[in-house]
Amino acid sequence: DTEVTQTPKHLVMGMTNKKSLKCEQHMGHRAMYWYKQKAKKPPELMFVYSYEKLSINESVPSRFSPECPNSSLLNLHLHALQPEDSALYLCASSLRPHVPYEQYFGPGTRLTVT
Amino acid sequence: TQLLEQSPQFLSIQEGENLTVYCNSSSVFSSLQWYRQEPGEGPVLLVTVVTGGEVKKLKRLTFQFGDARKDSSLHITAAQPGDTGLYLCAVLILGGGATNKLIFGTGTLLAVQP
Repeated sequence: DTEVTQTPKHLVMGMTNKKSLKCEQHMGHRAMYWYKQKAKKPPELMFVYSYEKLSINESVPSRFSPECPNSSLLNLHLHALQPEDSALYLCASSLRPHVPYEQYFGPGTRLTVT
Repeated sequence: TQLLEQSPQFLSIQEGENLTVYCNSSSVFSSLQWYRQEPGEGPVLLVTVVTGGEVKKLKRLTFQFGDARKDSSLHITAAQPGDTGLYLCAVLILGGGATNKLIFGTGTLLAVQP
C-alpha cells in the first residue's frame, strides 16, 4: 500500500469557522508533511513531523495548527482563516525523516475560505 | 529570489512534439528530483539524479543532471496528452537531521493538445 489519503477532498469554510484536515498513511513512514499549494505554483512546505514530533514550522500563522496523534495520522486544524488561505493543502510522507526524499503525496484538500 | 528556476513557465504543444524543460540554480546540489503533478492530484516522483552528468531514461522521458550539479533538464519525446501536468524539480536542503527538507522549483505547466 503506497497510498496517502486525505479527507475531505473539498472544503468550504467561513472566516469564523473551525475545521480540520486529515491525512493518513500505512506505509510505516516516520516523517509526515503539510504543504500549501496555490494554483499553478509549486508546493510550499508548512510543517514537518519526524517520529510524531514537530521538527519544522516554516513560520506558519497560528491559525494553522498541526497535530500528529500517531505515526499514521496527521491533522491540520484550521481556525479564523483568511480568504488568502484558500489553496490546495497537500499531505506527504517519507520513510526516513532525516532524508526526506521519495515523498509520497496525497491528492490534497481543496480549501476555499469565504 | 527562487533557489530553483524552471523554464519555460508554461508550455502548450501538440501531441507528437518534443520538448525540454530546464531547472537552473546558482547553487550546487548533491542530488535533484523531478516530480509530475497531474490535475487534481498530488506530485508523483519521477526520478532522482545524483551524479554530475548523469542521464536517466523513463520511457519517453530523459533526465539529465548538469556536470556541475547546478542544473537539470527533462526532455520528453513524442509528447502525449497523458503527459499534461505540472513538472517540478526539487532538491534537498540540509538543515541538519530532522530539519532537512525538500524545496521545489518554480514549476513548468505543460499542456499537450491531442
